[in-house]
Amino acid sequence: QQQVKQSPQSLIVQKGGISIINCAYENTAFDYFPWYQQFPGKGPALLIAIRPDVSEKKEGRFTISFNKSAKQFSLHIMDSQPGDSATYFCAASLQGGSEKLVFGKGTKLTVNP
Amino acid sequence: DAGVIQSPRHEVTEMGQEVTLRCKPISGHNSLFWYRQTMMRGLELLIYFNNNVPIDDSGMPEDRFSAKMPNASFSTLKIQPSEPRDSAVYFCASRDYAYNEQFFGPGTRLTVL
Repeated sequence: QQQVKQSPQSLIVQKGGISIINCAYENTAFDYFPWYQQFPGKGPALLIAIRPDVSEKKEGRFTISFNKSAKQFSLHIMDSQPGDSATYFCAASLQGGSEKLVFGKGTKLTVNP
Repeated sequence: DAGVIQSPRHEVTEMGQEVTLRCKPISGHNSLFWYRQTMMRGLELLIYFNNNVPIDDSGMPEDRFSAKMPNASFSTLKIQPSEPRDSAVYFCASRDYAYNEQFFGPGTRLTVL
């Protein structure tokens, strides 16, 4: 029940396209859902996060869509760029994020020029 | 601020040897996390501390692993004895407990021969 399932494992898109990564969770007590971005040789870094009281959050080209009833959330990258090529992790946490994060397995995104 | 500092960045050792990984969190942060990343298992939380006190060590794989945080500016993760299956990238992350964002260090790539 503590798992977060992420798909796809890898994703290849063309420059300018839309990248979509999906995550599903079981524990309905989760109330903080961040996405982390990791470039090769670096540690993950927070990209964007959402709480379940909203259905969507947008920051620039990055949007989180959240479906509480389906227990799913997704990351959309609009106008994908080669510089977006990285591994993306979804995560979930309890108590507004003050508890530990449970990470998905990651999605390796490649954006071709 | 220099960010989270980890040392060494790379470690190659032989099976049976003791390995000590070090972490200096961001000054003022009061939560510290140790993660292990592998291709097979993704990003796994090993242990985390709040105010230098271990809160959750359920992710520590076995008694060969131990972690300490003697003060707010230093933590160690020790593996004794090391085994080839311990080969992974180990990340340290820190957080101000009042906020949700975890800041990851650059990681230590451990290879056990």
